[in-house]
Amino acid sequence: EAEVAQSPRYKITEKSQAVAFWCDPISGHATLYWYRQILGQGPELLVQFQDESVVDDSQLPKDRFSAERLKGVDSTLKIQPAELGDSAMYLCASSLRSGTPGAYEQYFGPGTRLTVT
Amino acid sequence: GQQLNQSPQSMFIQEGEDVSMNCTSSSIFNTWLWYKQDPGEGPVLLIALYKAGELTSNGRLTAQFGITRKDSFLNISASIPSDVGIYFCAGQDYGQNFVFGPGTRLSVLP
Repeated sequence: EAEVAQSPRYKITEKSQAVAFWCDPISGHATLYWYRQILGQGPELLVQFQDESVVDDSQLPKDRFSAERLKGVDSTLKIQPAELGDSAMYLCASSLRSGTPGAYEQYFGPGTRLTVT
Repeated sequence: GQQLNQSPQSMFIQEGEDVSMNCTSSSIFNTWLWYKQDPGEGPVLLIALYKAGELTSNGRLTAQFGITRKDSFLNISASIPSDVGIYFCAGQDYGQNFVFGPGTRLSVLP
């Protein structure tokens, strides 16, 4: 069964350091999402891509966060510098191209648990 | 921004019991999704609903898209220990905003 891959699964970093997360969506999924999930809460969208283009990054803290999907396949989310409040689970999801039947169904990877010390 | 409410926040049930939980919004949604999340893992899609009044089953799970388009319900029949986890509703409104609820934490007692 096709799955969304994420790495690393766990990351511990000191504040002010840079950190990066990688995501490989399900093959054929044009839309890719990065979410942040704070313990005890639901996921919150950070950025959405359709192919290599950003569709929505209105909730991405652009002073320290950046995301790219250069070839429209895998994606990287970066935080620089990391702050204590960035400690959370970072989830990647993918779905079929917008407008396609079933495009609303997002499939999630296992996430990266980030701890900033 | 758009918010979803889920109730109950948490529930403890005996193995074998049926479970009901719901999700409400102050505005109309065109899609409702239900996910289950185990500790340390990503959410897993359980059921997707696309039409008002739609009732869809997936094994012991049944979900309904409320006729007002402002709510959705998830029922689990004959609960088993592996049903333990957090259940999230998610929805897309007509402004194309996709949001998650805060979750319902389910515990199953043997």
